[in-house]
Amino acid sequence: NAGVMQNPRHLVRRRGQEARLRCSPMKGHSHVYWYRQLPEEGLKFMVYLQKENIIDESGMPKERFSAEFPKEGPSILRIQQVVRGDSAAYFCASSPDRERWYEQYFGPGTRLTVT
Amino acid sequence: AQSVSQHNHHVILSEAASLELGCNYSYGGTVNLFWYVQYPGQHLQLLLKYFSGDPLVKGIKGFEAEFIKSKFSFNLRKPSVQWSDTAEYFCAVNAKGGNEKLTFGTGTRLTIIP
Repeated sequence: NAGVMQNPRHLVRRRGQEARLRCSPMKGHSHVYWYRQLPEEGLKFMVYLQKENIIDESGMPKERFSAEFPKEGPSILRIQQVVRGDSAAYFCASSPDRERWYEQYFGPGTRLTVT
Repeated sequence: AQSVSQHNHHVILSEAASLELGCNYSYGGTVNLFWYVQYPGQHLQLLLKYFSGDPLVKGIKGFEAEFIKSKFSFNLRKPSVQWSDTAEYFCAVNAKGGNEKLTFGTGTRLTIIP
């Protein structure tokens, strides 16, 4: 049973480019969470999605960041015009449904480096 | 907003030593509490959780944690550690009722010396 998949595992972007991070939830899971871990900090909640719907995006920066979880395919976290401060590890987690939100299974993360 | 403090950044112990990792949270309301572990090269995984009831919670691999409401603490313990417990441990809190967000501490790296 495949776990949560994230790709790419490492991503290098120059300032001003776009970064697209992908997350495929566990089979049967319909809810996805994105977290960001800056150096020397804990994971910080960014956004919570179910298929075709954003449930909570209170942790998302107001500009340049967006997330989606389409009916088909992985969830995408998109960062436009990246800056050095976006360099971090981005983790995705999935849960079976909203009632079992606490059963979050994490992916291996994508490490974004902005040069 | 809630926050979590893990004051021990790196703990080094010998095998068979007892372990206690500190976790304090800041939030005025009722909380759900979690400990996650990340073994080297592996994904973050849930170790144990507290929602209500008995404040002493037992998790996998012999770990337990005690919720002390008056101290806003949820310390992780294990009476006798093994080399395989080498990992990074994260405490997390969720404000009960209203959202499904987890707020994590900065983590404690545990190194067990054989």
